[in-house]
Amino acid sequence: GAVVSQHPSRVICKSGTSVKIECRSLDFQATTMFWYRQFPKQSLMLMATSNEGSKATYEQGVEKDKFLINHASLTLSTLTVTSAHPEDSSFYICSAKNPGTRKTDTQYFGPGTRLTVL
Amino acid sequence: AQKVTQAQTEISVVEKEDVTLDCVYETRDTTYYLFWYKQPPSGELVFLIRRNSFDEQNEISGRYSWNFQKSTSSFNFTITASQVVDSAVYFCALKNAGNQFYFGTGTSLTVIP
Repeated sequence: GAVVSQHPSRVICKSGTSVKIECRSLDFQATTMFWYRQFPKQSLMLMATSNEGSKATYEQGVEKDKFLINHASLTLSTLTVTSAHPEDSSFYICSAKNPGTRKTDTQYFGPGTRLTVL
Repeated sequence: AQKVTQAQTEISVVEKEDVTLDCVYETRDTTYYLFWYKQPPSGELVFLIRRNSFDEQNEISGRYSWNFQKSTSSFNFTITASQVVDSAVYFCALKNAGNQFYFGTGTSLTVIP
């Protein structure tokens, strides 16, 4: 089945620094990727939709200057948390849609990245 | 507007008991898809099932079964003869025509040995 990877799986950083999280589709080309965040014991919340070659579409309430998304290729999308603060600590999950399959409605989720900002 | 409600926040069952996780959804779309995901303590989302809005046939996969009823906008998930490894948070989700996912708040299932 399709595989989506994320790197790093865990990251701890100091307040004020920027952190980049990578999301890769390993065996398919993903024209669309999605970024979610999950607070402890809460549901996943869609942050933005990342489209290859164009600007990401952010959900209401998500600061686009804070969470920079770059979908530079068909297999890679990056989320950069700029000037991270402790309240940005969360579990970030990406997903990718595989347009090459019949089940085009199925998204494949990455394993997630746990960000802790000290 | 789309919305997914999982009213059960936490459930505890004793091993080998059957357990049903409820999911109720709201959408005005005529075409939509429903999903169940399992999230073990490691955090990774594990895909369990996908169902489109035109297919109300119930499905069974091993100890798992799903009951989709459009009349009540419900897509319930039953685990038969639960096992400790089933302990996880389970999310119900709806994907609309715009390809956006809407997740429920999750049900934390604990299976006690």
